[in-house]
Amino acid sequence: ETGVTQSPTHLIKTRGQQVTLRCSSQSGHNTVSWYQQALGQGPQFIFQYYREEENGRGNFPPRFSGLQFPNYSSELNVNALELDDSALYLCASSYRGGSYNEQFFGPGTRLTVL
Amino acid sequence: KNEVEQSPQNLTAQEGEFITINCSYSVGISALHWLQQHPGGGIVSLFMLSSGKKKHGRLIATINIQEKHSSLHITASHPRDSAVYICAGINFGNEKLTFGTGTRLTIIP
Repeated sequence: ETGVTQSPTHLIKTRGQQVTLRCSSQSGHNTVSWYQQALGQGPQFIFQYYREEENGRGNFPPRFSGLQFPNYSSELNVNALELDDSALYLCASSYRGGSYNEQFFGPGTRLTVL
Repeated sequence: KNEVEQSPQNLTAQEGEFITINCSYSVGISALHWLQQHPGGGIVSLFMLSSGKKKHGRLIATINIQEKHSSLHITASHPRDSAVYICAGINFGNEKLTFGTGTRLTIIP
């Protein structure tokens, strides 16, 4: 196990609703990245948070937003859910301070939008 | 065009065979993750490397920086190695991972 946890493991929502996904980083890590993985596809980078600030964003609309807290846990919020938002959402934590920083993944939250 | 290209997309082999999965990447990517994903979704980091070779048990990863190419090898493959293997490039400075499309490996007993 990596020490990165995510909640909930599964979630079903309807179109137009809002959802909050949570990630608890591995101890000592200060950076968290969020990824969306649609069925049969590779993960796509949503955004990254470092020291509570967004530090890079992929090609996702503003209705995808996030937070990182002082304890380095993180939330991913998605507003106005669409059917295409159905996917596995993965967070990964790492420690920024060295050269290349290995990312450790959580088990994911599977979101289904009906 | 994806910055990270993997081959093959699918690979089926007999138990005990030597397995090689290849990954090519573009300029701007300075290190690679090799990841394993089992059905159900959880991703496990196998290796992160920016040069040379790393070995862990039956798994070996190599990277050639000049050729921008990396390989993941599995020796004495076993059915429990069946999974999707993904290489992901790291853009130094922004920490963003760019993922390959994955290789679905099936090891038949």
